[in-house]
Amino acid sequence: AQSVTQLDSHVSVSEGTPVLLRCNYSSSYSPSLFWYVQHPNKGLQLLLKYTSAATLVKGINGFEAEFKKSETSFHLTKPSAHMSDAAEYFCVVSDRSGGSNYKLTFGKGTLLTVNP
Amino acid sequence: KAGVTQTPRYLIKTRGQQVTLSCSPISGHRSVSWYQQTPGQGLQFLFEYFSETQRNKGNFPGRFSGRQFSNSRSEMNVSTLELGDSALYLCASSPRAGVQPQHFGDGTRLSIL
Repeated sequence: AQSVTQLDSHVSVSEGTPVLLRCNYSSSYSPSLFWYVQHPNKGLQLLLKYTSAATLVKGINGFEAEFKKSETSFHLTKPSAHMSDAAEYFCVVSDRSGGSNYKLTFGKGTLLTVNP
Repeated sequence: KAGVTQTPRYLIKTRGQQVTLSCSPISGHRSVSWYQQTPGQGLQFLFEYFSETQRNKGNFPGRFSGRQFSNSRSEMNVSTLELGDSALYLCASSPRAGVQPQHFGDGTRLSIL
């Protein structure tokens, strides 16, 4: 079975300061990992993905994440927060559990607030 | 290229009614997945369709059903609506079954009175 734990339900930062959103996962297979962002009343937009290539993954809007197998973590970072980054962020794991069907498991989400 | 389109955006129903939601995938995408998003349970996978066949199913009661047409458009139906069905229903498409990442629509917000 696979699972995703987003360690913080809410993170608040000041504009211009670094962002760290934490995600731990468990998976019986070699997982693919994703970060999605959701703005109010919108669908999910892909920020970045890890699919067993480079462990440091760069995404859109200056975000990046590092896959650490030994720590089963996939934390999302950004050097300098912008007001437009305020949104909810989801860590997602996908593996081929139980046969040929891929299964997506979502974290509970982290609400990022950016203060001026 | 147009994104994933979901209609309607908002819907209000009463308990016991049934509802049909529609999803048009990105052109050329043949796989459509449906998700339910609620504050309490978060995002949960409902089912995935590819080539008009259900390929994967989440843990939801039989009141939740779906189908896919030959043009890859998909519909989701919920019968005998309950208050707990109030949620944002998201549709996502990808070129083939099981291919990640998926591209999401903006969802249909369903409210049950």
